[in-house]
Amino acid sequence: NAGVTQTPKFQVLKTGQSMTLQCAQDMNHEYMSWYRQDPGMGLRLIHYSVGAGITDQGEVPNGYNVSRSTTEDFPLRLLSAAPSQTSVYFCASRTGQAHTGELFFGEGSRLTVL
Amino acid sequence: GQQVMQIPQYQHVQEGEDFTTYCNSSTTLSNIQWYKQRPGGHPVFLIQLVKSGEVKKQKRLTFQFGEAKKNSSLHITATQTTDVGTYFCAGRSFGNEKLTFGTGTRLTIIP
Repeated sequence: NAGVTQTPKFQVLKTGQSMTLQCAQDMNHEYMSWYRQDPGMGLRLIHYSVGAGITDQGEVPNGYNVSRSTTEDFPLRLLSAAPSQTSVYFCASRTGQAHTGELFFGEGSRLTVL
Repeated sequence: GQQVMQIPQYQHVQEGEDFTTYCNSSTTLSNIQWYKQRPGGHPVFLIQLVKSGEVKKQKRLTFQFGEAKKNSSLHITATQTTDVGTYFCAGRSFGNEKLTFGTGTRLTIIP
C-alpha cells in the first residue's frame, strides 16, 4: 500500500505565486488533514475534512484553501504565497472514528517562499 | 482554543540514561496520542491512551494518562541511539474531530 502520498517533496516559490500541494491516500480514510511544521511550534492544523464535500478550518487557515471532491484526494492551495508560509507541510489521514483513529502521515512537502 | 504544551523542548542524554517528556493540555481530553518523528522524517503513531490514569508499556517505553485527563507523560528506560527523534503528544477534546499537537520534545543521544 502506498498509504498517504504527497507531491511535490520540495518547492521554491516567489512571493505572490500560487501553487497546490497534492495529497492522496489509498486507505479509504474519511478524515484528511493538513498540518504545517515550524521549528519550536510543533504541528499546527491548517484545514481538515471529515469526508468528501466537507471541509473545515484548523488553527492556522489564513492564506490556504482546500477542497475535497473525492475520498482519496485533499489538495492544499496557496493562492498568493508569502515568506511566512515557508514551512514543512504534512498531510495526514485516518478512519472516520475519531475516538480510535491514529493519523497516518505523508512524507512531507518542504516549501520555501522567497 | 485548546492548547497542548510539552516540556522539555530539548533533551540530551547519555546512551543508557532514562528520558521523560511531559504533556499538558489546557482542556480535558477524550484521548491522547503519542507520535515519534525521526530526523528528516514524518510523525509515526506510537500509542493512544483513553482512560483516566491509564498506563501502557511498549518494551522500554511507558506512557501515562493523568487522572484528570489533562496531562500525559512518556518515559523511556535505558535510551538507545534508535530512540533519537522528536516525540509529540496530541490531544483530542470531547466531540472534537481535531487533533491538537504539542510542541514536541527533541531527544538526542550521546553515545
